[in-house]
Amino acid sequence: NAGVTQTPKFQVLKTGQSMTLQCAQDMNHNSMYWYRQDPGMGLRLIYYSASEGTTDKGEVPNGYNVSRLNKREFSLRLESAAPSQTSVYFCASSRLLEATNEKLFFGSGTQLSVL
Amino acid sequence: AQSVTQPDIHITVSEGASLELRCNYSYGATPYLFWYVQSPGQGLQLLLKYFSGDTLVQGIKGFEAEFKRSQSSFNLRKPSVHWSDAAEYFCAVGARAAGNKLTFGGGTRVLVKP
Repeated sequence: NAGVTQTPKFQVLKTGQSMTLQCAQDMNHNSMYWYRQDPGMGLRLIYYSASEGTTDKGEVPNGYNVSRLNKREFSLRLESAAPSQTSVYFCASSRLLEATNEKLFFGSGTQLSVL
Repeated sequence: AQSVTQPDIHITVSEGASLELRCNYSYGATPYLFWYVQSPGQGLQLLLKYFSGDTLVQGIKGFEAEFKRSQSSFNLRKPSVHWSDAAEYFCAVGARAAGNKLTFGGGTRVLVKP
């Protein structure tokens, strides 16, 4: 019963490098999300996918791209990493986006440092 | 746009003492309110949520929260804290009009003294 699995757990990049954060859920959820967590700022939504085949921008999408590969997987890509993208990244999923009685299930996070 | 403020960045409490974490939100209509807890190195876990009805909601681990519309608040309480309650706590607000996406507060880190 894995829930939401993120890889990698830690990553160090140099400015300008690219990488993809992977996320997979095994709960048959329709909606998936990528958040970043910065001290004192809580979690901010980067991108989300309401259902397979759709993606939408969240609050802070600049510098990121996403792919909803299938119902299980939702990846986040940094094409050219910048120090401002140093953060902890969380993937989350929920059964539905539009329902009012949903809670988010979170992965354990990816700590990314961009030098 | 909806917003959430958690005025206390850090709170230190003695084990066995009561705990109250403040949350104030800004939203024009009735919001959906959540409290999540994040243990060190972990993702967030839902403690409790409010959608409608009784304004005092009970959650897991002995936590409760009270929705006060007049004060735009949703404070989290626990009568007697345990050392395992040391964590970071996040209040969040969602609304159907905002596509049900959540807006999180900045978090309150709770330290528990023996």
